Amino acid sequence: EAQVTQNPRYLITVTGKKLTVTCSQNMNHEYMSWYRQDPGLGLRQIYYSMNVEVTDKGDVPEGYKVSRKEKRNFPLILESPSPNQTSLYFCASSSSGGRGVAFFGQGTRLTVV
Amino acid sequence: GDSVTQMEGPVTLSEEAFLTINCTYTATGYPSLFWYVQYPGEGLQLLLKATKADDKGSNKGFEATYRKETTSFHLEKGSVQVSDSAVYFCALPNAGGTSYGKLTFGQGTILTVHP
Repeated sequence: EAQVTQNPRYLITVTGKKLTVTCSQNMNHEYMSWYRQDPGLGLRQIYYSMNVEVTDKGDVPEGYKVSRKEKRNFPLILESPSPNQTSLYFCASSSSGGRGVAFFGQGTRLTVV
Repeated sequence: GDSVTQMEGPVTLSEEAFLTINCTYTATGYPSLFWYVQYPGEGLQLLLKATKADDKGSNKGFEATYRKETTSFHLEKGSVQVSDSAVYFCALPNAGGTSYGKLTFGQGTILTVHP
């Protein structure tokens, strides 16, 4: 079954404690992205990757890092989380030059206290 | 830059009522247009799409027509069900350049359908 898998689904952490949210897709897609969803703001892109070792900033990259060492995996790293990073995070992957249909993970609800 | 504007929500309807969620966009050229749906506790999934002007996308009783002249892609359903309760997002893919691979989303519209 084609899917994007994120872990964990829920995470509560304290300010400044480094964390990683994992994302893996089994569709051999070149393009992967991270979004955050906040009430009234829709989804905003954090980072994206066009292929292995190729990543770039989206609209709201501050405070986040990513890596793409393998085609299937695209982890999101928060080196020093702050309360304003409390949000719902989604990983997505797509083919067709990045302009096709995107497949989303189930989301990670992060709370930073 | 590209942008998508959706009607303000939330929207509350009774079962079997008619649904319209408005979506207008600003974009370079003529991109594909999508409606995504997010059911409670789940990720987004594609509901329907249209790839060129005057195309009509349809799925699960929902329809949307790509109107180039009004830059709109309104979502409609003739008779909603309780199971349609979800958040609906209008979206368009960026044309390229530094935003390659990005989807621009509207704010989302929360739909609640009561029995």
